[in-house]
Amino acid sequence: EVKLVESGGDLVQPGGSLRLSCAASGFSFRSYWINWVRQTPGKGLEWVANINEDGSRTNYVDSVKGRFTISRDNAKNSVFLQMNSLRVEDTAVYYCTTPFDVSWHHWGQGTPVTVSS
Amino acid sequence: DIQMTQSPSAMSASIGDTVTITCRASQDIRNDLVWIHQKPGKVPKRLIYSASNLDSGVPSRFSGSGSGTEFTLTINTLQPEDFATYYCLQRRSHPFTFGGGTKVEIK
Repeated sequence: EVKLVESGGDLVQPGGSLRLSCAASGFSFRSYWINWVRQTPGKGLEWVANINEDGSRTNYVDSVKGRFTISRDNAKNSVFLQMNSLRVEDTAVYYCTTPFDVSWHHWGQGTPVTVSS
Repeated sequence: DIQMTQSPSAMSASIGDTVTITCRASQDIRNDLVWIHQKPGKVPKRLIYSASNLDSGVPSRFSGSGSGTEFTLTINTLQPEDFATYYCLQRRSHPFTFGGGTKVEIK
């Protein structure tokens, strides 16, 4: 069974940092890109970042470039999202997902991030 | 960045109706279009990938069509469990972008 489990979400002050983790199981983790997607309260979905199979290629939405860093540890079947210089508008539930274009696709249950003073 | 314009943003429909949701891309995305739905309080779930391929376990009353810049999600014979919010997503180029969503409510 494919499972994605996010953790690390918390309440943090503006300007602070958080590191989110996504632990994967049930599939050949090192063979797939992984995405982070967020959903702001009562709003829609926003793709945040992704990383390729060996971690050599990363992509980000403009609003987080220079502040967020995605990485992975294939030995631990995990992907991370280091979030620095957090802003109020980064408040959201953060999900990790498997690739959107493969025949199977999964989302984690999400981890909430609240940026507030 | 590719903009995804989804319409309508909300609609009311009755059980048994046929519902059509449209997504328009600001440039050619070939068939790199995904449809996702989300029920209140639940995790989003993919319905369709590559514009027209149904995910395993998704009822056949759902169908997707289109290529290039115009895409359609059709739900035939709407069922109670179909009342949800639907999103399109383009994965043709980075940054991937979602449509604004369509909330399908009970009339």
